[in-house]
This record gives sequence, structure tokens and C-alpha cells, in this order.
Amino acid sequence: QKEVEQDPGPLSVPEGAIVSLNCTYSNSAFQYFMWYRQYSRKGPELLMYTYSSGNKEDGRFTAQVDKSSKYISLFIRDSQPSDSATYLCAMGAGGQNFVFGPGTRLSVLP
Amino acid sequence: GAVVSQHPSWVICKSGTSVKIECRSLDFQATTMFWYRQFPKQSLMLMATSNEGSKATYEQGVEKDKFLINHASLTLSTLTVTSAHPEDSSFYICSARVIGGSYEQYFGPGTRLTVT
Repeated sequence: QKEVEQDPGPLSVPEGAIVSLNCTYSNSAFQYFMWYRQYSRKGPELLMYTYSSGNKEDGRFTAQVDKSSKYISLFIRDSQPSDSATYLCAMGAGGQNFVFGPGTRLSVLP
Repeated sequence: GAVVSQHPSWVICKSGTSVKIECRSLDFQATTMFWYRQFPKQSLMLMATSNEGSKATYEQGVEKDKFLINHASLTLSTLTVTSAHPEDSSFYICSARVIGGSYEQYFGPGTRLTVT
């Protein structure tokens, strides 16, 4: 079992839809969880950062962490064509290197 | 917010030559920087972890004599691809970890290397 699993997609949704992106993990020691957005031929951009369990909201983005299920989610409300990108989850424990998921390719169709 | 720059953004070099890529944290200090490689439509591959003032830690399968990493200050790490070959052509991305507690990691914009 891989340490972090993420459906690679591609995921296509119509403009305005709510998008749900998910990652599962196996290491119960993970406490730090991040979501990145990466446009083609660009470096990943940090979208959301969460410590331990719970929800965090920032504009149209909501990150959820369920440590009991080892499952994290990123929700995008009112999705826009400009949200079309690859979304990577990342997680880690303390000072250890973060582990990245392979990324989910999202296309928001106008 | 935290900004990481890379230079150059794009470089073409001839086979056998060496190329240096710079990674700078512009508005924060980073004791730890990371170097990744990414092929088209593939995920990030961690190459090495660079700690300021000490030798880099390379991932399994990454040749440390070919990919020289120097982390000379809290804001600068460099990756030198020595004796480059066409198979080294890739997208190289650095990231930097914020000092102190949060472990947030910010990425540079990447450097596209083409070896002819």
C-alpha cells in the first residue's frame, strides 16, 4: 500500500459545480496536511494548510481532515475554468519530509 | 506571502556541459530546501533534501555526483547538473520549508532544462 493515495483523474466538471478532491494515507503519525494547485509547466502553489483534524475554509476552498479515517478532502465551490489544474495533497509528521500524492487532474468546463 | 524564486526559468544546453539552477527564498529564511524533478504529466519526484551548511541527502537512485547541491545560506540553494545528457531534460522544481514550527513548504516556479 502506498503511503499516500490519490485518484489521478482526470476529473471533468461543469463550471459552477462543487468539486471534491480526496487523498487517503496510511501513516497515523501524519499531522500536517497541505493542498497544492499546479498549473501546467508551473511550480505547485500552496492552497491550504491544516494541522491535525478539522476543517479550514478560505474563500471557495474548504479543506477537511479526518484522522480517524486517514482521509483528507479539498472542496472547491463554484468552480471556475481557471481552477483547471492538477491538485496535489501532501502530508507529514513533524520535521520529516512531506509525502506527496500523485495529483488529480481537474478540468472545469465552461 | 512566502515567495520562492528560481533562476533560470528555462535553459537549453549541449550534452556534456554543466548547468546551475538557483533557488532563493525571497521573504523568509529556510534551513531546509528540496529539489524535485517532474516529467510531463507525472508527479513530483523528490531528488534531494538540502540543509543549510550541511551535505544534501539524496533519494535512492539519484546520483549525488551528477546532481550537485549546495545550500550556502538560509535563502539560497543551488542544483548543478554536471555533464548533462538528453535524458536529464526535465522540469526541476525547488521548494523551501519555513523555519519554525509550521513546516509549510513553498515551491519555486520551476526550471525547464533541455539538453540537446
